[in-house]
Amino acid sequence: QQQVKQSPQSLIVQKGGISIINCAYENTAFDYFPWYQQFPGKGPALLIAIRPDVSEKKEGRFTISFNKSAKQFSLHIMDSQPGDSATYFCAAREAGGGNKLTFGTGTQLKVEL
Amino acid sequence: DVKVTQSSRYLVKRTGEKVFLECVQDMDHENMFWYRQDPGLGLRLIYFSYDVKMKEKGDIPEGYSVSREKKERFSLILESASTNQTSMYLCASNGGSKTQYFGPGTRLLVL
Repeated sequence: QQQVKQSPQSLIVQKGGISIINCAYENTAFDYFPWYQQFPGKGPALLIAIRPDVSEKKEGRFTISFNKSAKQFSLHIMDSQPGDSATYFCAAREAGGGNKLTFGTGTQLKVEL
Repeated sequence: DVKVTQSSRYLVKRTGEKVFLECVQDMDHENMFWYRQDPGLGLRLIYFSYDVKMKEKGDIPEGYSVSREKKERFSLILESASTNQTSMYLCASNGGSKTQYFGPGTRLLVL
């Protein structure tokens, strides 16, 4: 049973374009939604995160959009750069569940010149 | 900076061997986690620990056990390795914040 569904599995974007990765969840007890970025040979690292009482959070070229009623959230990477090529994971934390995270299946992003 | 280290980057083991994967964090974090990462399946939680000698099963604990004798160290044990345990294993820790800090991973091949 996959609690956080992520799409697409892979994505190719031209340099300067917008990369969009989507996630959907069913568990309404989730109260924290981070995105992690993973480069080859490295462990994932926190990129940006949002709480469900906020509809959007922006940090530099990275924006999370959150739709509580639809139980969906997405990562937008503006002006995508080759250095953004990585695997991206969305995740969710359940309130009262300690600090456990449930991860999506990942999106492999490639930004081409 | 938080540092999470894993004892090996690559391991090759034979079916039936007992395998130990070690993880050490240097930030006095209470919580530590073991995940496996497989293509198309993302990160799946095997076990986690919220204190010394405490452990809880994650989503896929079968075939694994863990040990946390000291706060900074969390070990994953494969009692009898099988080929379907060939994977990337990631350790993570967190303390007061929600952020999990990951190690670089151990790529395990079971022949």
